[in-house]
Amino acid sequence: AAGVIQSPRHLIKEKRETATLKCYPIPRHDTVYWYQQGPGQDPQFLISFYEKMQSDKGSIPDRFSAQQFSDYHSELNMSSLELGDSALYFCASSLGVTGAYEQYFGPGTRLTVT
Amino acid sequence: QKEVEQDPGPLSVPEGAIVSLNCTYSNSAFQYFMWYRQYSRKGPELLMYTYSSGNKEDGRFTAQVDKSSKYISLFIRDSQPSDSATYLCAMSVGTGGFKTIFGAGTRLFVKA
Repeated sequence: AAGVIQSPRHLIKEKRETATLKCYPIPRHDTVYWYQQGPGQDPQFLISFYEKMQSDKGSIPDRFSAQQFSDYHSELNMSSLELGDSALYFCASSLGVTGAYEQYFGPGTRLTVT
Repeated sequence: QKEVEQDPGPLSVPEGAIVSLNCTYSNSAFQYFMWYRQYSRKGPELLMYTYSSGNKEDGRFTAQVDKSSKYISLFIRDSQPSDSATYLCAMSVGTGGFKTIFGAGTRLFVKA
C-alpha cells in the first residue's frame, strides 16, 4: 500500500539559510500534519492542514510557514535556520475531519543545521 | 507540567513477558487515545487507537483507557525481540481538533 512520502530524506543547511520540506500524503488523504522531533524527544506538533486550509497550529516558530496544495501535498518552509532547528521532521496524513486519531507517518526528513 | 506524561524507561523484559506501558494526562477534553511504535530513525507507526474509555484488543496488544483517572495503558502479551522499540502514547480532542499531543515515549527492550 502507498505510504506517506517525504523529500528530501536528509538535508544539510547552514545557519540563516532556508529549507523547504515536502510531504506527499497517502492517496485520498486530505489532512496533513507536521511534527518536529528532536533527539530523544517526542514529536512536537507544528501545524496541520485540512482540505488545503490550516486546521490547527502548534509550536511552530514564526520563521516557519507551511501550506497544502490542490493535490494535497504540503510544503514546510523554514527560513533563517538556527542550530536548534536540527531535528527529524515528520509529516503525517489522515482522512477527514475526524481522522486525527488515525495518522500515518512518513519516514521523516532529517535536517542538520551547521 | 506536560499535558501527557510517559515514563521514558528504558524497560527491559525477557522474551514472552507481558509488558505494561502507561501514560497519564491532564486535559479532560482528550477523546482519542493512540499508541504508536517507533523504531530508531523511523516514523511512528500507529498500533491502535481507542475512543473514550474502555478496552480494545488487537492480537497481542490491548489498550485500556480510564478517563476518570486520566490514565491509559498498553499491554503487550508474549513479547518478542521484534517488539523492541519506543512506544509513544498520543491524544487528541477528536472532532474539530487536529492537534495531537505525544508522550515522551517509553523505550522497550525485549531480550531473547
